Amino acid sequence: DTGVSQNPRHKITKRGQNVTFRCDPISEHNRLYWYRQTLGQGPEFLTYFQNEAQLEKSRLLSDRFSAERPKGSFSTLEIQRTEQGDSAMYLCASSSTSPGELFFGEGSRLTVL
Amino acid sequence: AQSVSQHNHHVILSEAASLELGCNYSYGGTVNLFWYVQYPGQHLQLLLKYFSGDPLVKGIKGFEAEFIKSKFSFNLRKPSVQWSDTAEYFCAVYMDSNYQLIWGAGTKLIIKP
Repeated sequence: DTGVSQNPRHKITKRGQNVTFRCDPISEHNRLYWYRQTLGQGPEFLTYFQNEAQLEKSRLLSDRFSAERPKGSFSTLEIQRTEQGDSAMYLCASSSTSPGELFFGEGSRLTVL
Repeated sequence: AQSVSQHNHHVILSEAASLELGCNYSYGGTVNLFWYVQYPGQHLQLLLKYFSGDPLVKGIKGFEAEFIKSKFSFNLRKPSVQWSDTAEYFCAVYMDSNYQLIWGAGTKLIIKP
């Protein structure tokens, strides 16, 4: 399968713990996006990478959230000191040159108890 | 503020009925327009897109959408729906002012067999 891969698919954690999600994009795609989605809402933009450079980060994102894309390949999204409000589906998407045409992974569902 | 509105949050239709889902956006500049679909238990995937040219675009599975620039609209249509069209449909607009897609809240479509 050469699509976007996300791990883990589901993470249950206690409030205050740190979690990390990984995304492996389609190999030839240089753009990578992280979104968050809650029930009844469309995806909410978190951050965007072009190759290894983080070009955009949502102002709604607190300092507890950080993302990296070393070497412009896979990416990680870390949430520190998780809160119950962080419970959501975290989506990764990649794209090549067509603006807005995204290929999504299956998502990583976070449940904070 | 830039936004995308989907008029119906839930739509229930019988098989063979015609479908039209509304999408309006607020932005006066150049846009790329998308409809994404999320089937139950699956990831988001592109249904159709408009970049330029013929404002009537055709996508997969018999769906089409019409861009009406004067109305800032990009409504999704299908003349005869099938049970397998049950899914959540998201309208998204890529605006040339930033790197982001702006998403509608989604429409849950249920097709009764």
